[in-house]
Amino acid sequence: TQLLEQSPQFLSIQEGENLTVYCNSSSVFSSLQWYRQEPGEGPVLLVTVVTGGEVKKLKRLTFQFGDARKDSSLHITAAQPGDTGLYLCAGVGAGNNRKLIWGLGTSLAVNP
Amino acid sequence: DSGVTQTPKHLITATGQRVTLRCSPRSGDLSVYWYQQSLDQGLQFLIQYYNGEERAKGNILERFSAQQFPDLHSELNLSSLELGDSALYFCASRSGRRNTGELFFGEGSRLTVL
Repeated sequence: TQLLEQSPQFLSIQEGENLTVYCNSSSVFSSLQWYRQEPGEGPVLLVTVVTGGEVKKLKRLTFQFGDARKDSSLHITAAQPGDTGLYLCAGVGAGNNRKLIWGLGTSLAVNP
Repeated sequence: DSGVTQTPKHLITATGQRVTLRCSPRSGDLSVYWYQQSLDQGLQFLIQYYNGEERAKGNILERFSAQQFPDLHSELNLSSLELGDSALYFCASRSGRRNTGELFFGEGSRLTVL
């Protein structure tokens, strides 16, 4: 069974701090997506990473896909209250298994 | 606005009852997914339809059923409701039938079973 483990589960920081959240698996994924979900809303796609070692930047957010395509990280620089939300990673299985596997998420609170 | 519409937004009902959740996908999207989200189990995939046909099944209980109609809207039917069915139910859509590309989520239907 493919699993995606996200850590930390909860994170509460002050505005201006940096943080990194992780998405790890023992399985290889053909691609991995990061979503952010705000209270009362559905998840919204932030980025998709496809190539091992790939780094993508979205303003203050930096996403990295591991070389072996088994793990990913999201780094936020100078966090702002607007970054508050649940960050979910979702991986598409490699080979014949094309299921979309979701992590449980990292709940981030950025305090002003 | 994702373009995916779900109704109702909130629903309170009693154990043993039956409810229907409705989803209109983004214009042009043929795939509809249903997810259940609870605090302890995260986002759980229930079922996927593509152009009216069931495409994939996840952790959907036998008490639950779904369908996608010719106009591509979808309904999720939950019957013999139990307290543990209380959760957020999300519908999502995408244009293709494969698990690649962006999923567009609705705002969810919050079900409370008392």
